[in-house]
Amino acid sequence: GAGVSQSPSNKVTEKGKDVELRCDPISGHTALYWYRQSLGQGLEFLIYFQGNSAPDKSGLPSDRFSAERTGGSVSTLTIQRTQQEDSAVYLCASSLDTWGTEAFFGQGTRLTVV
Amino acid sequence: GNSVTQMEGPVTLSEEAFLTINCTYTATGYPSLFWYVQYPGEGLQLLLKATKADDKGSNKGFEATYRKETTSFHLEKGSVQVSDSAVYFCALMNRDDKIIFGKGTRLHILP
Repeated sequence: GAGVSQSPSNKVTEKGKDVELRCDPISGHTALYWYRQSLGQGLEFLIYFQGNSAPDKSGLPSDRFSAERTGGSVSTLTIQRTQQEDSAVYLCASSLDTWGTEAFFGQGTRLTVV
Repeated sequence: GNSVTQMEGPVTLSEEAFLTINCTYTATGYPSLFWYVQYPGEGLQLLLKATKADDKGSNKGFEATYRKETTSFHLEKGSVQVSDSAVYFCALMNRDDKIIFGKGTRLHILP
């Protein structure tokens, strides 16, 4: 596609439910990132996929969070047993496998846990 | 580890004022440096970048120079406009590594 696409754009879920957030990166981009942005806060790194390398999961806040990337393209971020503190905008970005190139961001998924 | 520190906001200026948003970094090796901008209601987008020491990135009247000796990448603009009101993020990326962002600086420009 023309840009990074994320779905859904908005998600309201009940506390304790599982949610899946989807990211379609730009075609040909081998690097994919997930970040979280809470209201009025900065960007919190969650996970980074680079080609066929093992993902960098060092930013995942708890074992309720997981992510996968199938076929080197689409990625899904899963949050199990959601909590109210998980409410945030989840941002996905992708970039070419070339050092120094910019990352292109999607519009994000706004997750609200009630 | 790698980190980025940028000045706390919000920053409020009058139109046509000179803008500086400070950014310093800690990193091993020779990272690439970026400024991203998030306009109200919009997604994050690249404003400018520099990939090696003494490089100057520029876009839309904004400039930032990669200073390795001071580990800084300060953002400047000579005359700001109301339309520059946004949140600005300084970021770095080392080879084969994730992008690390500062906490962001909210900028308000008054007409």
